[in-house]
Amino acid sequence: DQQVKQNSPSLSVQEGRISILNCDYTNSMFDYFLWYKKYPAEGPTFLISISSIKDKNEDGRFTVFLNKSAKHLSLHIVPSQPGDSAVYFCAASVSGGYQKVTFGTGTKLQVIP
Amino acid sequence: DAGVTQSPTHLIKTRGQQVTLRCSPKSGHDTVSWYQQALGQGPQFIFQYYEEEERQRGNFPDRFSGHQFPNYSSELNVNALLLGDSALYLCASRLVGYNEQFFGPGTRLTVL
Repeated sequence: DQQVKQNSPSLSVQEGRISILNCDYTNSMFDYFLWYKKYPAEGPTFLISISSIKDKNEDGRFTVFLNKSAKHLSLHIVPSQPGDSAVYFCAASVSGGYQKVTFGTGTKLQVIP
Repeated sequence: DAGVTQSPTHLIKTRGQQVTLRCSPKSGHDTVSWYQQALGQGPQFIFQYYEEEERQRGNFPDRFSGHQFPNYSSELNVNALLLGDSALYLCASRLVGYNEQFFGPGTRLTVL
């Protein structure tokens, strides 16, 4: 039962353009969402998060949008840079206490110079 | 400020053996979670420790057990290793009640 889904295994984008990574979830109890970036041979690095009380959160070139009614979130990277090439994981949790974090399967982003 | 550290980096074992992986959390963090990441998959939650007790557990058999020490470091033990246990094992730490976790580089376990 995959509660967090990233349906695009890979994405290629030209440098300077916008990268849009998508994520869907099925568990209505999830109220906190995170994006992680992972380079080969390294652990995931926290990128940006959003609480269910918001529909948008920005941090520099990264913006996450949350559509609760559609159970969908997306990560926008503008402008995309070659150093952004990595695997991006969407994750979700029920906030507070001893919550466990559920990850999607990841999207491999390649930014072409 | 040291981040999350894990040891060893790589490990090769044979079926039926037992393995222990170690994790030191980021300074100031008190909660440690362990994840298994198989090739091509996202990290799968194994369990979480806080105040030296297992607080949450994912869908993993009892062959997977853990421990947290008074200094918040943690161990993951896997008994009776199977070929399917080959994966990257990730440790993550955070402060209890906070959502952001910080991951270590992982331990690559290969079971032959």
